Amino acid sequence: DAGVTQSPTHLIKTRGQQVTLRCSPKSGHDTVSWYQQALGQGPQFIFQYYEEEERQRGNFPDRFSGHQFPNYSSELNVNALLLGDSALYLCASSWGAAGANVLTFGAGSRLTVL
Amino acid sequence: EDQVTQSPEALRLQEGESSSLNCSYTVSGLRGLFWYRQDPGKGPEFLFTLYSAGEEKEKERLKATLTKKESFLHITAPKPEDSATYLCAVQMYGGATNKLIFGTGTLLAVQP
Repeated sequence: DAGVTQSPTHLIKTRGQQVTLRCSPKSGHDTVSWYQQALGQGPQFIFQYYEEEERQRGNFPDRFSGHQFPNYSSELNVNALLLGDSALYLCASSWGAAGANVLTFGAGSRLTVL
Repeated sequence: EDQVTQSPEALRLQEGESSSLNCSYTVSGLRGLFWYRQDPGKGPEFLFTLYSAGEEKEKERLKATLTKKESFLHITAPKPEDSATYLCAVQMYGGATNKLIFGTGTLLAVQP
């Protein structure tokens, strides 16, 4: 049973560029959340998608946007990249958008902005 | 402000030397407290969920406990393979989301 898969695993961009990260949730899961983890820090919540809609958003600017597809997979888009966007971007899936549901995390996409 | 604080930031143990990691939290209404393990270059891996004060859960050499203000992760007779970053996270009531607020983690190194 495949867990959460993310792509690409590593990527390098320059300031001002745009990036798209992709996530396939664990089989049976319908909710996808995205987290940003800077080096030496804990993950920070970006937003959550359920039923193809953004349900809640963390303290991130509008440069961060996302999408969920009918098959529950998701994309995270970041526009006008800044040096401070360099981080590990984690996708997590769960069943249902509420409740104390356990999140299953992917291995992440490591973004470096030069 | 809702906050999660973990201590110590880093801990070095000898194999077999038991110890505890601390996670203190200040949130408006706790729905659940989660412990995750994260290995370098990987995503967090779920360990435990605790829901109410007094609850305890065990898995191999790990035992998690919860009070009204903090949680402890006790590691008994650790082995080198227990070396990892241990993350604590809380989920609060309110909102149609299972958003987690994470601490910064405790980096555990177990030497043979």
